[in-house]
Amino acid sequence: AQSVAQPEDQVNVAEGNPLTVKCTYSVSGNPYLFWYVQYPNRGLQFLLKYITGDNLVKGSYGFEAEFNKSQTSFHLKKPSALVSDSALYFCAVRDPVSSGSARQLTFGSGTQLTVLP
Amino acid sequence: DGGITQSPKYLFRKEGQNVTLSCEQNLNHDAMYWYRQDPGQGLRLIYYSQIVNDFQKGDIAEGYSVSREKKESFPLTVTSAQKNPTAFYLCASSATGNEKLFFGSGTQLSVL
Repeated sequence: AQSVAQPEDQVNVAEGNPLTVKCTYSVSGNPYLFWYVQYPNRGLQFLLKYITGDNLVKGSYGFEAEFNKSQTSFHLKKPSALVSDSALYFCAVRDPVSSGSARQLTFGSGTQLTVLP
Repeated sequence: DGGITQSPKYLFRKEGQNVTLSCEQNLNHDAMYWYRQDPGQGLRLIYYSQIVNDFQKGDIAEGYSVSREKKESFPLTVTSAQKNPTAFYLCASSATGNEKLFFGSGTQLSVL
């Protein structure tokens, strides 16, 4: 079974400082990993994905994420945070060798990022 | 303007009542999904459909039903058998072979 954990419910960072939102995963095969962002009362928006290749993935709005197989992690990062980055961030994983509903995305519980001016 | 439209934005259900949430997409995507979002629990998959006239149960299908008669539409019915229906419901779609999900703006369902 696949699973994903976001160990921090809340992350606060000052504007202009670097930010990290943590994600760890568990799958039986090689994972497909994703980050999505949700603004209040809205649906989720895709930020970036890792399927294969370079461990550092660049995405929308200046975000990037680093795939670390040995630590089974896929942390989201941004060098300089903006107040407008404040939102709920979800990590998701899919195990491409699974069958049935297990082939669909499994989402983490979300991390609320607040960037303070 | 392409995208996914969910309606209504807010919905209230009385005891014993079935309610239907609408989801329409004009992205020409084959696959569509329904998720339930509860605070602190992330998203949980209710049902998904990879092609017209076919759909599969997700992780929490009990008390819900769906249909996929048209490629563009994937309505979700919350039946009276769902005893805890209060949640934010999100519809999504994706193109075949593409892992990226596109989400609607959601429907907040509450019980009167």
